[in-house]
Amino acid sequence: GAGVSQSPSNKVTEKGKDVELRCDPISGHTALYWYRQSLGQGLEFLIYFQGNSAPDKSGLPSDRFSAERTGESVSTLTIQRTQQEDSAVYLCASSLAATGTQYFGPGTRLLVL
Amino acid sequence: QKEVEQNSGPLSVPEGAIASLNCTYSDRGSQSFFWYRQYSGKSPELIMSIYSNGDKEDGRFTAQLNKASQYVSLLIRDSQPSDSATYLCAGREMNRDDKIIFGKGTRLHILP
Repeated sequence: GAGVSQSPSNKVTEKGKDVELRCDPISGHTALYWYRQSLGQGLEFLIYFQGNSAPDKSGLPSDRFSAERTGESVSTLTIQRTQQEDSAVYLCASSLAATGTQYFGPGTRLLVL
Repeated sequence: QKEVEQNSGPLSVPEGAIASLNCTYSDRGSQSFFWYRQYSGKSPELIMSIYSNGDKEDGRFTAQLNKASQYVSLLIRDSQPSDSATYLCAGREMNRDDKIIFGKGTRLHILP
C-alpha cells in the first residue's frame, strides 16, 4: 500500500514569507508526528496528533509554527514569517496507535533565503 | 523529562566484525522500543522493534532489551559498508497518548 507522502519535496522561500507543508499519512494510521532535522543533527520533535487532537505541542519552536490535522487524514504544518534558521528537513511520520511503529515520509527540504 | 540517550559516535567497525549500538532510556514505563536506520539525506527506516526482555533476531540484526537496567542494544553481525548510517533508538511511552521518543542517534562507519 501507499506509504506516507509529503509535499512539496523541496521548498525555497524568502525570509518573512509563510510556508505550508503537507503530510498524507498511511490510511488508517491514527497517530501523526512532525519532526525537524537540521543538517547533521538528530530528529527534533515538533508536534504529535492522535486523531485530530494534539496532545503534545511542546516541540513547536515558536508561535510562528502551527499545525492542524483533519480527522485521521492529512496534516499541514505552517510556518509564518520564515527565518533562515527554519531551514531544515521537515519529516512527517504516522503510526497505528496500537503498535507505535512509525513510518516516515520522504520529508520536505525547506530553504529560507 | 523522559529521555532516550545514545552515544553520538562515530562508531568505527571493521567490515565483517560485530557492531554494537547501545541506548538507555529514563522512563520505566516505556514498553516498546524501536531501532531505525537513517542514511545520509534519507528518511529513517525501521529495522526492528522489541517489546519483551531478551533478544530478538532478524537476519544479521539482533535487538536486546533489558527493562531492569533500562537499556536497549542493537548488534549487527558481519558488518558491511552498506550498514554505514545513523542508527536511531526510540521508546514508546505507555499512556493513552502513545508518544514515541527518539534518541539523537549513533553514527556508524563500517571500515572496508
